[in-house]
Amino acid sequence: NAGVTQTPKFQVLKTGQSMTLQCAQDMNHNSMYWYRQDPGMGLRLIYYSASEGTTDKGEVPNGYNVSRLNKREFSLRLESAAPSQTSVYFCASRGRGELFFGEGSRLTVL
Amino acid sequence: AQKITQTQPGMFVQEKEAVTLDCTYDTSDQSYGLFWYKQPSSGEMIFLIYQGSYDEQNATEGRYSLNFQKARKSANLVISASQLGDSAMYFCAMREVDAGGTSYGKLTFGQGTILTVHP
Repeated sequence: NAGVTQTPKFQVLKTGQSMTLQCAQDMNHNSMYWYRQDPGMGLRLIYYSASEGTTDKGEVPNGYNVSRLNKREFSLRLESAAPSQTSVYFCASRGRGELFFGEGSRLTVL
Repeated sequence: AQKITQTQPGMFVQEKEAVTLDCTYDTSDQSYGLFWYKQPSSGEMIFLIYQGSYDEQNATEGRYSLNFQKARKSANLVISASQLGDSAMYFCAMREVDAGGTSYGKLTFGQGTILTVHP
């Protein structure tokens, strides 16, 4: 069972470069989420998609855009990466109540 | 103000002993849910246990139990008979409802507690 799959797992960017984190879930879940994890700050919600065709801002949306491509896929885009976006990014989808997380993507912006 | 507070940055426990990880929360909602996740050094997030605000019984899942004290707004995780594999970061999280009465499943996380189990 794949569950939630994120790519890439590691990425190094230079300031100003753009990139897209891809996320796909095979559990037929309606809701999907992007979180970032920074030391000492837990996980913070960037964007979420309650259902296919909808997206909404979370706690820390600045500098990011998202696309809910279809029910399975939810991508996160950094248009102009900044060092402050160095973090571990997690995609998740919602089951009955709990969230199922991908393995995380470690992004470093130099 | 933080909605989820985990006051213990690090905890140590001897193998086979029980340990309690603290979590307090802040909400004015009557309906909410509380979750605990485990994050081992490999980095994945593993769901452990869930407690609904209307659940009368404390949640249990194997060696994990949730000590839910609604009036104190606390939802402490109790791990019985600790094992070396329990060494990890543990996160408490809360799901609230929005002003419109829905939550869309969004979770707010605490800062985490690093648990180290000694042999």
